[in-house]
Amino acid sequence: DTAVSQTPKYLVTQMGNDKSIKCEQNLGHDTMYWYKQDSKKFLKIMFSYNNKELIINETVPNRFSPKSPDKAHLNLHINSLELGDSAVYFCASSHTPTGDNYGYTFGSGTRLTVV
Amino acid sequence: TQLLEQSPQFLSIQEGENLTVYCNSSSVFSSLQWYRQEPGEGPVLLVTVVTGGEVKKLKRLTFQFGDARKDSSLHITAAQPGDTGLYLCAGGGGRGGADGLTFGKGTHLIIQP
Repeated sequence: DTAVSQTPKYLVTQMGNDKSIKCEQNLGHDTMYWYKQDSKKFLKIMFSYNNKELIINETVPNRFSPKSPDKAHLNLHINSLELGDSAVYFCASSHTPTGDNYGYTFGSGTRLTVV
Repeated sequence: TQLLEQSPQFLSIQEGENLTVYCNSSSVFSSLQWYRQEPGEGPVLLVTVVTGGEVKKLKRLTFQFGDARKDSSLHITAAQPGDTGLYLCAGGGGRGGADGLTFGKGTHLIIQP
């Protein structure tokens, strides 16, 4: 199936740990993103990669680092996890950064709980 | 920073009624997109409007882009329980596309049988 797939679906971890979330798309899209959705369902962009180049780096803590081994993958690594990092993280991809005409395709999300 | 204000934030109506959700901004967008999100899933694109004044229909859903490309509306006719979900508007084109998509805070819609 063509899609954006991210793993794991659920991640429960202790404060101070380091964790990674993986994302892969087989849609042939040029741009991939990480979004954070808070408890009120507000989606905020964290990073995007276009042809392996970072084109957006929002004001997120430098404990968060995106890593893209190739155009089809954009992983998110988080160091020294804090309670406030608990949220749902979505990976997405698109043909163009604005998503004009075709929009973004989202993964099903990773619910991160820091205890 | 571009902001999108969605209203209402919550809406609960009876099956068969009509409703309209609004998405407003003071900024101009190259496109306005509507997504629907189910619990435990990512947002799924419903429609994209790119031309000022554009109207698109998707079965019982009608989407309109404002003439100035700053606002949009989603109208649902004869709502069904299956329309229940979180509806998100999103604007594209900030800083020439460098900002990706900016999302509104969503409208939680419940259609009661």
